[in-house]
Amino acid sequence: GENVEQHPSTLSVQEGDSAVIKCTYSDSASNYFPWYKQELGKGPQLIIDIRSNVGEKKDQRIAVTLNKTAKHFSLHITETQPEDSAVYFCAASMGGTASKLTFGTGTRLQVTL
Amino acid sequence: NAGVTQTPKFQVLKTGQSMTLQCAQDMNHEYMSWYRQDPGMGLRLIHYSVGAGITDQGEVPNGYNVSRSTTEDFPLRLLSAAPSQTSVYFCASSFLKGEPLHFGNGTRLTVT
Repeated sequence: GENVEQHPSTLSVQEGDSAVIKCTYSDSASNYFPWYKQELGKGPQLIIDIRSNVGEKKDQRIAVTLNKTAKHFSLHITETQPEDSAVYFCAASMGGTASKLTFGTGTRLQVTL
Repeated sequence: NAGVTQTPKFQVLKTGQSMTLQCAQDMNHEYMSWYRQDPGMGLRLIHYSVGAGITDQGEVPNGYNVSRSTTEDFPLRLLSAAPSQTSVYFCASSFLKGEPLHFGNGTRLTVT
């Protein structure tokens, strides 16, 4: 089955700096790659996703890039703010939908003042 | 619009006890699923359903049963709880075609 690796496990940045989280996946048939943000005591929430026919997608301060050849994708957060502090998960699935997502192990992002 | 509702929020069981974790969604989603979240292991799929009357196993199904008698509800049953089932359980749902997965706020289960 699919295996998703995520790095780093923890990341501390100063407010205003950029943060980058990287994931690799094993199954070349995977074609849907969402990113979720989880705040303390809550369920994960989708923040951005990308499909395999697109190389990059941006939404305000958040962007995701996908390299299908290398089988890796990354989350970029620019101008970080304290409210960006949370655990971020990458995931992958086949079929272009959220069905049967395989998740990475998570990155705890801490934005310090 | 309540979204995905999970009950209870917290539960403590003794080894060997049984219980049912409840999940309900009001978005008319065909797809529903259960994940468990353990430290350092991300979220792992337990069981999923693509519609009423249809269920299938995910990555870690042992020790859990599910059924889907209605579109709205997808309960997760632990028949004989074990300490290894101590975890946070999340229910999630979506439309089958290209929609994001919506998560509930989780049930924290401790088995002693």
